[in-house]
Amino acid sequence: GQNIDQPTEMTATEGAIVQINCTYQTSGFNGLFWYQQHAGEAPTFLSYNVLDGLEEKGRFSSFLSRSKGYSYLLLKELQMKDSASYLCAVMDSNYQLIWGAGTKLIIKP
Amino acid sequence: GAVVSQHPSRVICKSGTSVKIECRSLDFQATTMFWYRQFPKKSLMLMATSNEGSKATYEQGVEKDKFLINHASLTLSTLTVTSAHPEDSSFYICSARGDRDNEQFFGPGTRLTVL
Repeated sequence: GQNIDQPTEMTATEGAIVQINCTYQTSGFNGLFWYQQHAGEAPTFLSYNVLDGLEEKGRFSSFLSRSKGYSYLLLKELQMKDSASYLCAVMDSNYQLIWGAGTKLIIKP
Repeated sequence: GAVVSQHPSRVICKSGTSVKIECRSLDFQATTMFWYRQFPKKSLMLMATSNEGSKATYEQGVEKDKFLINHASLTLSTLTVTSAHPEDSSFYICSARGDRDNEQFFGPGTRLTVL
C-alpha cells in the first residue's frame, strides 16, 4: 500500500529552527510537495522536490532523499504566523498526490 | 502562481437538498482538476480526478451518483452534492493542474454544513 508518515504535532519557539520529517512508500515517484495549511483554509504551496538534495526558498528549505524515501521541511527564524499544519504529499506513478496527515506546528513566544 | 477560485466559500443547506460547488482556474487552462474533502484535523482525501471533456475518475468508496462532477471546460469544474445529509458536512477543496508541470494549485475551499 501507499503510505506517508509525518509527526502529528511539533512545538517550537519563535525565532528558532524546526525540521519536519516525512517518510513515504508509494507506487512510483513523480515528486514530493510540501504545503502549508492554516486552520479553515486551503493548502498553499511551499516546495517541490523531484531530485535528491536541498531546495532553499527564503526561510523555508526542503530536502529529499529518494533512496531513503525521506524528506524534511526546514523552517528558520520562526514567526508566530508560521503556526499551521504542514502537509507532505507525494505524486505517484499515476500523477496523483498521496497526502500525509499533516504536522501541526505550534509556535510559542 | 496560478489562481484557482471556488464558489461558494461557505454554504449551509437542509438535509435532502443538492449543492453545487464551482471551481475555476482564472489564469491558466486546467487540463486536470481534483476534488478533495477534508474532515476536521484530518488529511485531505481525494474524491475524484476529472479531465476536461471526459468522465471523472472516482476514488474507491466515493459514490459517483452522489457526488456529480462535471469538467465541461478547461477553466471550470463543478461538484454537485446530491441529496445532502449531515454526514456530508465537510470542507471541500478543488485543485487544478495545467499541462506544463506537476504542481497543483488549490482553490480556497468550500465549507459545507448540512443541517
